[in-house]
Amino acid sequence: GIQVEQSPPDLILQEGANSTLRCNFSDSVNNLQWFHQNPWGQLINLFYIPSGTKQNGRLSATTVATERYSLLYISSSQTTDSGVYFCAVGNTDKLIFGTGTRLQVFP
Amino acid sequence: KAGVTQTPRYLIKTRGQQVTLSCSPISGHRSVSWYQQTPGQGLQFLFEYFSETQRNKGNFPGRFSGRQFSNSRSEMNVSTLELGDSALYLCASRSYRQQETQYFGPGTRLLVL
Repeated sequence: GIQVEQSPPDLILQEGANSTLRCNFSDSVNNLQWFHQNPWGQLINLFYIPSGTKQNGRLSATTVATERYSLLYISSSQTTDSGVYFCAVGNTDKLIFGTGTRLQVFP
Repeated sequence: KAGVTQTPRYLIKTRGQQVTLSCSPISGHRSVSWYQQTPGQGLQFLFEYFSETQRNKGNFPGRFSGRQFSNSRSEMNVSTLELGDSALYLCASRSYRQQETQYFGPGTRLLVL
């Protein structure tokens, strides 16, 4: 099956810093989503991005499908950005999740 | 529009018991998927229902089952609970007009003692 690797596993930042999270996947996919899981467990959609680039406020994402990776950029990080960021990929209705990047932002 | 809702939010059971979890999708969404999240295995796909039919199933034992009703609400059942079934169970819904984007509910935290 498709393998999904995320890096780094942990990231500690001071408020205001920028960061880049990476997602590598082992096969071609037609579905790629980024999620943020808050401390209460809720998974929040950030981007649906099987290819190309999207931006939403301080967040942006780029997927290079031909090279099987996606990047999530967080600029001017805030304490509310803390949590775990997941990349999930798939070709059917089933999503395969990476192991996540745990982000801690300190004031 | 109201989001995906799951009930109950927290549950404590003992080994050998069975449990039923409920998920109400976003209004108009006809597809419901279930995922299990544990510290050891991460987020894993359980199954997906569309129009009351199971369309896809993950690699879980037969103790895990589900169903979908005509109003798209879904339930999942775990029989003969084991300690390893302790997890956060997440439900997601999506519309076939926006086929790919899945929206997740807040989850049900199950603790098996």
